[in-house]
Amino acid sequence: GIQVEQSPPDLILQEGANSTLRCNFSDSVNNLQWFHQNPWGQLINLFYIPSGTKQNGRLSATTVATERYSLLYISSSQTTDSGVYFCAQNTGGFKTIFGAGTRLFVKA
Amino acid sequence: DAGVTQSPTHLIKTRGQQVTLRCSPISGHKSVSWYQQVLGQGPQFIFQYYEKEERGRGNFPDRFSARQFPNYSSELNVNALLLGDSALYLCASSLSAAGTRNQPQHFGDGTRLSIL
Repeated sequence: GIQVEQSPPDLILQEGANSTLRCNFSDSVNNLQWFHQNPWGQLINLFYIPSGTKQNGRLSATTVATERYSLLYISSSQTTDSGVYFCAQNTGGFKTIFGAGTRLFVKA
Repeated sequence: DAGVTQSPTHLIKTRGQQVTLRCSPISGHKSVSWYQQVLGQGPQFIFQYYEKEERGRGNFPDRFSARQFPNYSSELNVNALLLGDSALYLCASSLSAAGTRNQPQHFGDGTRLSIL
């Protein structure tokens, strides 16, 4: 089955720092999404990005479908950015596979 | 517009009991998917329903079942509960079948199920 690998597994940042999170796929990219899970467990949509680049405020994402990876950039990090970041995708087979996540902690 | 709503928010059961979790999708969305998230792990796919038919199933035992109603709401049933079923159960909706291009999923806040 398809595999989704995220790196790094854990990340500690000082407030104001920038970071890059990576998601690798074993199969072709389809319906790729990035999510932020806050400490209360809510999964928040960040980006729907099967290819190309998108930006939303301090966050941006790039997916290179031909090389089967996606990157999430966080600039000028804030303590509210803490939580777990997941990427997820499916291959059109009606199953969505999540990565194990990157746990981010931003220190004040 | 209301997002995906799930009920109840929290639930405590004992081993061997049965539980039903409910999900209402975003208005106009016809697909509902269910996920189980054990503490410290990513969500694991359980089922996808589209137009009231099961379209996908993850690697879960037959104790897990679901259905989708004519109004596109959905229920997840788990029988003979085990301690390992303790998890956050998440529901997601999309306009049409997840897996179709340009169909992002939107998640509810989940139901926290604890098995004693």
